[in-house]
Amino acid sequence: NAGVTQTPKFQVLKTGQSMTLQCAQDMNHNSMYWYRQDPGMGLRLIYYSASEGTTDKGEVPNGYNVSRLNKREFSLRLESAAPSQTSVYFCASSDAVASGRYEQFFGPGTRLTVL
Amino acid sequence: AQSVAQPEDQVNVAEGNPLTVKCTYSVSGNPYLFWYVQYPNRGLQFLLKYITGDNLVKGSYGFEAEFNKSQTSFHLKKPSALVSDSALYFCAVRDSATGGFKTIFGAGTRLFVKA
Repeated sequence: NAGVTQTPKFQVLKTGQSMTLQCAQDMNHNSMYWYRQDPGMGLRLIYYSASEGTTDKGEVPNGYNVSRLNKREFSLRLESAAPSQTSVYFCASSDAVASGRYEQFFGPGTRLTVL
Repeated sequence: AQSVAQPEDQVNVAEGNPLTVKCTYSVSGNPYLFWYVQYPNRGLQFLLKYITGDNLVKGSYGFEAEFNKSQTSFHLKKPSALVSDSALYFCAVRDSATGGFKTIFGAGTRLFVKA
């Protein structure tokens, strides 16, 4: 099993450009998450999907959109990138509630720089 | 509101000595608590969790954590530190207010183990 995979690993954008970060998991998990990690601020939740077909805002959703394409895939889109979105982005999944296993499994991250 | 605090930005310990990384929490209801570790340029990895039962929880790589309800703490411990334990450690709590799908992370504590 590959676990949680993310593409791309690195990306440089100019202000105003758009892009989509891809995430996929092969653990048959119901719930998926997008976080950003900034120095000294830990992890902040952008959006999450409790189950296929549902998405909800997290702590810092402004400037982002998400799509839960199917049970495996959860993408994050930046419509008009801003320098404040320079960060490391992590996707995660969990089998929350269904199995009582609330721990999350993380992808390797995407390092995004917006110039 | 649920929250978790890691009062130390950094912990320094000599190899072979015991280590403690501190975490305190605030939750309504029963706490579901977690520790994760992040090695450089990697995603977070689950270490251990407390849901119910014995207050001393054992996890991966020889780590353990002690749940203390009266002090609302969940400190991470290891009897003998290794240089390879140097990493960023996150304490986290399940956000029961949202049905348990979300997890709230602390800001992280960087552990340095000196040879």
